[in-house]
Amino acid sequence: DQQVKQNSPSLSVQEGRISILNCDYTNSMFDYFLWYKKYPAEGPTFLISISSIKDKNEDGRFTVFLNKSAKHLSLHIVPSQPGDSAVYFCAASDDSNYQLIWGAGTKLIIKP
Amino acid sequence: DTAVSQTPKYLVTQMGNDKSIKCEQNLGHDTMYWYKQDSKKFLKIMFSYNNKELIINETVPNRFSPKSPDKAHLNLHINSLELGDSAVYFCASSQALGAVQTQYFGPGTRLLVL
Repeated sequence: DQQVKQNSPSLSVQEGRISILNCDYTNSMFDYFLWYKKYPAEGPTFLISISSIKDKNEDGRFTVFLNKSAKHLSLHIVPSQPGDSAVYFCAASDDSNYQLIWGAGTKLIIKP
Repeated sequence: DTAVSQTPKYLVTQMGNDKSIKCEQNLGHDTMYWYKQDSKKFLKIMFSYNNKELIINETVPNRFSPKSPDKAHLNLHINSLELGDSAVYFCASSQALGAVQTQYFGPGTRLLVL
């Protein structure tokens, strides 16, 4: 039972363009969402997060949008750079549970 | 000066063996975790320790036993290894307990059971 779904296993984007990574969730109790980035042979690193009281959070080139009614969030990267090529994991939690529920990841490839 | 380190990075072993994976964090964090990344690439929490106390113990076979000798270390011992245990195991730490806490991950241990 996947509570967090990233339906695109991979995404290819031209350098300089916008990358949009999507994530859907099923548990309406989730109130905190995070994106992590992972390079090969490394562990995931935290990228950006959003609380359910907000619908947008921005940090430099990275913006996360949350649509609670659709149970959908997205990560926008603009402009995309070669170093953004990585696997991006979406994770969610209801804080009372102390744990994160992770999606399967989307591999982002930035083409020159 | 790696923040979260795991040893070994690679582990190839036979079914039925017992093995351990070590994890150390030098961030001064109170909470540590073990995750398993399976063949479908999902990261699943196995255990969480806070101040050396077990907090989360997901549905994991009791062949898996975590041990936290101190706040900086959380080791994972696996008895009677099975083929299905083949996966990447990640250790992580966070300053405190709570999903809003940023988790810092080690590089992973790639376990292959033959």
